[in-house]
Amino acid sequence: KNQVEQSPQSLIILEGKNCTLQCNYTVSPFSNLRWYKQDTGRGPVSLTIMTFSENTKSNGRYTATLDADTKQSSLHITASQLSDSASYICVARSGGYQKVTFGIGTKLQVIP
Amino acid sequence: EAQVTQNPRYLITVTGKKLTVTCSQNMNHEYMSWYRQDPGLGLRQIYYSMNVEVTDKGDVPEGYKVSRKEKRNFPLILESPSPNQTSLYFCASSLRQGFNEKLFFGSGTQLSVL
Repeated sequence: KNQVEQSPQSLIILEGKNCTLQCNYTVSPFSNLRWYKQDTGRGPVSLTIMTFSENTKSNGRYTATLDADTKQSSLHITASQLSDSASYICVARSGGYQKVTFGIGTKLQVIP
Repeated sequence: EAQVTQNPRYLITVTGKKLTVTCSQNMNHEYMSWYRQDPGLGLRQIYYSMNVEVTDKGDVPEGYKVSRKEKRNFPLILESPSPNQTSLYFCASSLRQGFNEKLFFGSGTQLSVL
């Protein structure tokens, strides 16, 4: 069964600090992995996509990594801002029928 | 502006009263889908559509119906809502159901069934 597990479930950090969110996935065969940001009361918005051959990808202050051997991905946020407060959802796509599997998300709160 | 529009944003209803949640996208996307989001469970797919007149069940289709008569619209129908369908619903679309396609989500519909 395809699974995506995220940790931690929630996280509180001070504005300006860095943080790293983790995603472990078990999907087969693996196609790609996306990170979405979901603001409270809004729909998720794609931040970045990681394919099998990519190890690191940056999008502004967001840097995603992928280790296909250990089936782990991380999202690193640098110099956090209050606007980073949101849930971050990891979504893994499997080949074949192109099934997507969603993680539960990590709820990040950035405080002044 | 490219977007996925859901209506209504909030809906309170009673058990058994049929309701429809509308979803429309203006990006000429082929693929559309519906999800429900519950605390501790994440997003779960209800139904999806690969193109006009082509729909299929997702992971949790029981109690829901959909139709895709036009490319831009993908309404979600609850014929006889029950309290266990109280949830936050999202419609999403992508250009097609392909390898690198990202989903564009609507703003959500918070449904409460009393």
